[in-house]
Amino acid sequence: EIVLTQSPGTLSLSPGERATLSCRASQTFSSSYLAWYQQKPGQAPRLLIYDASSRATGIPDRFSGSGSGTDFTLTISRLEPEDFAVYYCQHYVTSLWTFGQGTKVEIK
Amino acid sequence: EVQLVESGGGLVQPGGSLRLSCTASGFTFSSYWMHWVRQAPGKGLVWVSRINSDESSTHYADSVKGRFTISRDNAKNTLYLQMNSLRAEDTAVYYCARRSGAGGFFDWWGRGTLVTVSS
Repeated sequence: EIVLTQSPGTLSLSPGERATLSCRASQTFSSSYLAWYQQKPGQAPRLLIYDASSRATGIPDRFSGSGSGTDFTLTISRLEPEDFAVYYCQHYVTSLWTFGQGTKVEIK
Repeated sequence: EVQLVESGGGLVQPGGSLRLSCTASGFTFSSYWMHWVRQAPGKGLVWVSRINSDESSTHYADSVKGRFTISRDNAKNTLYLQMNSLRAEDTAVYYCARRSGAGGFFDWWGRGTLVTVSS
């Protein structure tokens, strides 16, 4: 079973700053199987990125994903007020779906 | 527009049972695999179960195997999760999620229903 470790646990930034979130896998897998989700308090998760670097429909281009092997990154180029939330990475493969523990992006 | 609406959550005693429903609209429900994901209060997301489009295949997390049963009624556009032998650690918001047709990620989620297991 692949374990996903996200870092940092909390990221304190100001609007307009760049956010870099990390997701590290316990073993190498195909980069096609990594997604990122955003979750705001009291809301359902929302798909941001799939296949490591493809933006989901309607997601602003300030969100970008990259990485391969065991190291993946979600970058928010310039934080908007609505971007302060918790972000989860997810690995998906037939009959196995694993989430990281989440990174909270909070207003500094 | 795609919509997933969960229902059936509530307070149940340890050892009790509950059946969750997820009603889908805005897409051809019978064409998609569906999943249940849960989130304990203040915690992260945990995958629970999935079912393929024609109900011929199901899969469960080890933590719920033998206690939970996923099913669907494609004629009613509804996904179910029958939960038996509930434990305090099953307390969570339960989300239904649609597996994308383009890959194993989840492209639509419901708003969730809260299950509380407590005496």
